[in-house]
Amino acid sequence: KQEVTQIPAALSVPEGENLVLNCSFTDSAIYNLQWFRQDPGKGLTSLLLIQSSQREQTSGRLNASLDKSSGRSTLYIAASQPGDSATYLCAVHPAPSGGSYIPTFGRGTSLIVHP
Amino acid sequence: GAGVSQSPRYKVAKRGQDVALRCDPISGHVSLFWYQQALGQGPEFLTYFQNEAQLDKSGLPSDRFFAERPEGSVSTLKIQRTQQEDSAVYLCASSVNRGWGTEAFFGQGTRLTVV
Repeated sequence: KQEVTQIPAALSVPEGENLVLNCSFTDSAIYNLQWFRQDPGKGLTSLLLIQSSQREQTSGRLNASLDKSSGRSTLYIAASQPGDSATYLCAVHPAPSGGSYIPTFGRGTSLIVHP
Repeated sequence: GAGVSQSPRYKVAKRGQDVALRCDPISGHVSLFWYQQALGQGPEFLTYFQNEAQLDKSGLPSDRFFAERPEGSVSTLKIQRTQQEDSAVYLCASSVNRGWGTEAFFGQGTRLTVV
């Protein structure tokens, strides 16, 4: 069974810092990995999706990398802002060859960026 | 609509009451997922539909939980005889393909509180 772990569980930083959020998974037979943002009381907003054949994806100040063989992904946030405060979740989609279509989520990293 | 829509946004139920949660996926999306998210946790898989077929319901916690998608579009998650441990946010996601080989889009969720 796929297990997804996110470290750290919580992070509080001053504005302007560059951040690294970590996601690790136990089964490397994945199809893709997706990073989401969740604001309090809200649903999930997709940030970046990395296919298993890719090494990284970038969107604005966000960069996500994937090392499938070691079961790791990182989300890099450059020049953090108070508006980045949210919970960040990663979800791993299994390879269809395994017969499952069910993505597994980590528990998230709760980020607070203070002015 | 342009996104995934869930209703109601909030529901307070007395213990023992039956509830029905609705999800309107993005038009034309094949896959529909239901997840349960307890406070401070990541989303936990409940059930998966591919069009009208319920292909996986392994995450439903008990036989009090029932989901349907009769015409392959709108889905309803029904919880019978609600209990306090059912209190959570219920998230619905849809994807254009099987599983989410492409991107998954989430609704705002329904926050269920059982008193």
